[in-house]
Amino acid sequence: GAGVSQSPSNKVTEKGKDVELRCDPISGHTALYWYRQSLGQGLEFLIYFQGNSAPDKSGLPSDRFSAERTGGSVSTLTIQRTQQEDSAVYLCASSLGAGGPKPNEQFFGPGTRLTVL
Amino acid sequence: DAKTTQPPSMDCAEGRAANLPCNHSTISGNEYVYWYRQIHSQGPQYIIHGLKNNETNEMASLIITEDRKSSTLILPHATLRDTAVYYCIVPGKAGGYQKVTFGTGTKLQVIP
Repeated sequence: GAGVSQSPSNKVTEKGKDVELRCDPISGHTALYWYRQSLGQGLEFLIYFQGNSAPDKSGLPSDRFSAERTGGSVSTLTIQRTQQEDSAVYLCASSLGAGGPKPNEQFFGPGTRLTVL
Repeated sequence: DAKTTQPPSMDCAEGRAANLPCNHSTISGNEYVYWYRQIHSQGPQYIIHGLKNNETNEMASLIITEDRKSSTLILPHATLRDTAVYYCIVPGKAGGYQKVTFGTGTKLQVIP
C-alpha cells in the first residue's frame, strides 16, 4: 500500500523566500507529525496534528513557521522569509492515532531536503 | 512524555548480539516503550514496542525490567545493515493522541 509521501524531495531556495512543503499521510491516519533534522542531529519535533487541528505547536521554532492540514489528510508546512539556519531535512510522519495494536506507530515519509542559500 | 536516556554510541561485531540500553525512570504505569531506528539518509523506521512483558518480532527483542524503569533492545545477530541510530521513546498512554519526541538516540556501528 501507499506510504507517506512528501514533496518536493529537494528544495533549494534563496534567503528571504517563502517555501511550502507538502505531506500526504497514509489514508486513514488521523495523526500527523512534522519534524526536522539538521545534518548530524536528532529529530526535532515541530508540530502535531490530530485531524485538522494542531493540539501541539510547541516545536515550531519561530512565527515564520506555520502548518495546516485540510480534510484530515494533506498537510502543508510553510516557512516564510527563509533563513540559512532553516536548512535541514523536513520529515513528515503519520499514525493511526487511536485504535489497533500500535496506534502510535509512526510511518515516516522520505523527507524534503531544504537548502537555503 | 517520559524522558529517555540512551548512550550516544555503541559498537557491535557483525554476527554478535547488539544490546542497546535505555533508561526511562519516569515512565508511568500505562506508558509504552517504543523503539525506532534511522538508517543513514532515510526516515525513522518502527522496530518494536512493549508495555511490561518482553516482546519479540522478526526484527528484534525488547526486554523491559520488572520496575519498567529501563529496557534493552536486542538485535540477536547484528549485520552491517543494522548500522543506524536507534531511538528509544515513551510517547504517552497507548491509544492516546500523544506526540512522540525523538532524542538523540544511540548510534550503533556494526563492525565487520
